[in-house]
Amino acid sequence: EAQVTQNPRYLITVTGKKLTVTCSQNMNHEYMSWYRQDPGLGLRQIYYSMNVEVTDKGDVPEGYKVSRKEKRNFPLILESPSPNQTSLYFCASRGSNTGELFFGEGSRLTVL
Amino acid sequence: AQSVSQHNHHVILSEAASLELGCNYSYGGTVNLFWYVQYPGQHLQLLLKYFSGDPLVKGIKGFEAEFIKSKFSFNLRKPSVQWSDTAEYFCAVNTGYNKLIFGAGTRLAVHP
Repeated sequence: EAQVTQNPRYLITVTGKKLTVTCSQNMNHEYMSWYRQDPGLGLRQIYYSMNVEVTDKGDVPEGYKVSRKEKRNFPLILESPSPNQTSLYFCASRGSNTGELFFGEGSRLTVL
Repeated sequence: AQSVSQHNHHVILSEAASLELGCNYSYGGTVNLFWYVQYPGQHLQLLLKYFSGDPLVKGIKGFEAEFIKSKFSFNLRKPSVQWSDTAEYFCAVNTGYNKLIFGAGTRLAVHP
């Protein structure tokens, strides 16, 4: 089954404790992206990757890092989480030229 | 800056009522347009998309949308809503290969 898988789905952590949210897709998509969803703001892009070893900033990259060492994986790293990073995070991937994004189930992160 | 506006943040309807959700975007070039739906506790799923051709596009579950280029609009419609349509709806615009811009979303509540 074609899917985008994120882990963990839920996480409560404390300020400053590094964490990683993993994302994996099995559709051989080149493009992957991370979004955060906040009430009243819709989805805002954090980082995206056009292919392996190619990443770029989205609209709200501050406080986040990403890496793309393999085509299927695109982890989101919060080196020193802060409470304003409490949010619902979605990973997405896209096949070439279709424009349609396929989303993961989401990861709800709470930073205390 | 490119943006997507969804004018209705919350909509409450009774079953069998007709639905129209507004979406306007600010970009003068070629666009690809999408409507995504997010059911409670779930990830975003594609409802319908417009790339070119007939400006009236039909999607899943009886939804349709009309692209009016002169008005920079892509409104979502459904003639008769059901309780199961209760969800949040996002309009999104792709102005280039790297970027999909989302509106803030419209929460639809359908009462039996």
